[in-house]
Amino acid sequence: NAGVMQNPRHLVRRRGQEARLRCSPVKGHSHVYWYRQLPEEGLKFMVYLQKENIIDESGMPKERFSAEFPKEGPSILRIQQVVRGDSAAYFCASSPSRQGGLDGYTFGSGTRLTVV
Amino acid sequence: KQEVTQIPAALSVPEGENLVLNCSFTDSAIYNLQWFRQDPGKGLTSLLLIQSSQREQTSGRLNASLDKSSGRSTLYIAASQPGDSATYLCAVKLGKAAGNKLTFGGGTRVLVKP
Repeated sequence: NAGVMQNPRHLVRRRGQEARLRCSPVKGHSHVYWYRQLPEEGLKFMVYLQKENIIDESGMPKERFSAEFPKEGPSILRIQQVVRGDSAAYFCASSPSRQGGLDGYTFGSGTRLTVV
Repeated sequence: KQEVTQIPAALSVPEGENLVLNCSFTDSAIYNLQWFRQDPGKGLTSLLLIQSSQREQTSGRLNASLDKSSGRSTLYIAASQPGDSATYLCAVKLGKAAGNKLTFGGGTRVLVKP
């Protein structure tokens, strides 16, 4: 069981470019969550997805950000036209059920995005 | 709106001393509470998960208690070691009707000095 795999671990983008962050959940988990950790701040919920469906995107900025979890392949968090304020660590988590299961949520190691 | 607070924000203790980390939350209608450890530049490692019906959970030197009525959880780490140095985060999950997201506290940064 490889756990939640995120790639890349580090991503550098120039202002105006697109950033694509990938997350492969724990095998057998069909619920995926994205969180953002800004420098010196706590983790904030962004979006919750199940296969092919966005369930809750209440924490995601309305513009430039999108997320998907296709039937096949990893979940993708896409940030278009990045700005310096997007620099943060982006964490993906997965769970086997809506309520988190017996073990709660499993988090990946994160992608650290730096916008220059 | 659920708010989670962790006090203190930072803690420094000599090796061998017991650690007491506090987490408080404003909405007592939680589904569960989870404690995580985060090392610098790394991801989150789950330490303990307490369901709303439970009062405590234990794993090795770690013990977490939950008092829903007062909106508090405490993480105890016995006989601290330098390897326990990390940031400890608590996160609460509200009931089903409130969605499926975790609300995190700001964390307690722990330094255990040898």
